[in-house]
Amino acid sequence: GAGVSQSPRYKVAKRGQDVALRCDPISGHVSLFWYQQALGQGPEFLTYFQNEAQLDKSGLPSDRFFAERPEGSVSTLKIQRTQQEDSAVYLCASSLAWGQGKNQPQHFGDGTRLSIL
Amino acid sequence: DQQVKQNSPSLSVQEGRISILNCDYTNSMFDYFLWYKKYPAEGPTFLISISSIKDKNEDGRFTVFLNKSAKHLSLHIVPSQPGDSAVYFCAASGETSGSRLTFGEGTQLTVNP
Repeated sequence: GAGVSQSPRYKVAKRGQDVALRCDPISGHVSLFWYQQALGQGPEFLTYFQNEAQLDKSGLPSDRFFAERPEGSVSTLKIQRTQQEDSAVYLCASSLAWGQGKNQPQHFGDGTRLSIL
Repeated sequence: DQQVKQNSPSLSVQEGRISILNCDYTNSMFDYFLWYKKYPAEGPTFLISISSIKDKNEDGRFTVFLNKSAKHLSLHIVPSQPGDSAVYFCAASGETSGSRLTFGEGTQLTVNP
């Protein structure tokens, strides 16, 4: 596709449920990122993949958050035992290249708005 | 610890005039900077970037200026158009900050017809 695609656009879950958010990056982009954006703030980094390798997960707020990209393309962000503070917009971004002085712009999807009741 | 700051939450300009959005950073190891535009219910859209080896980059109506000694960058939009009304985020990265982009809080730009 032309851009980064995320699904679902909106997700409502009850506290304690598990959720899975999907990201389809731009074709050919080896670098993939997940961010969390709270209302009125800028996106905050969660985790980074280069191809299928998760090179940085230092931004994941707890061990309830888990991300994978098994074939180096589509990625899934999973949140287990959701809590109300997990309510936010989850953004995925992809880039042609990242790191070692070769940074290319990150291009973002429209996000998944997660609401935990 | 807010490493990237956009001190103006909002800015209002007249159509046709120049919009200047400002951003300050504290981490001297940042070496790659980007500006994004965001409409409601959409993801951030990449506008323009600059690496620390330059002090200016231009793309159409958008110009980004980088002042490394002051740890300051700005985005100039000229002429401003009503369709430019959106939230603008600056973001920065560097080898020591690893994989992440660090974002400012955003500035709401309103361009009045």
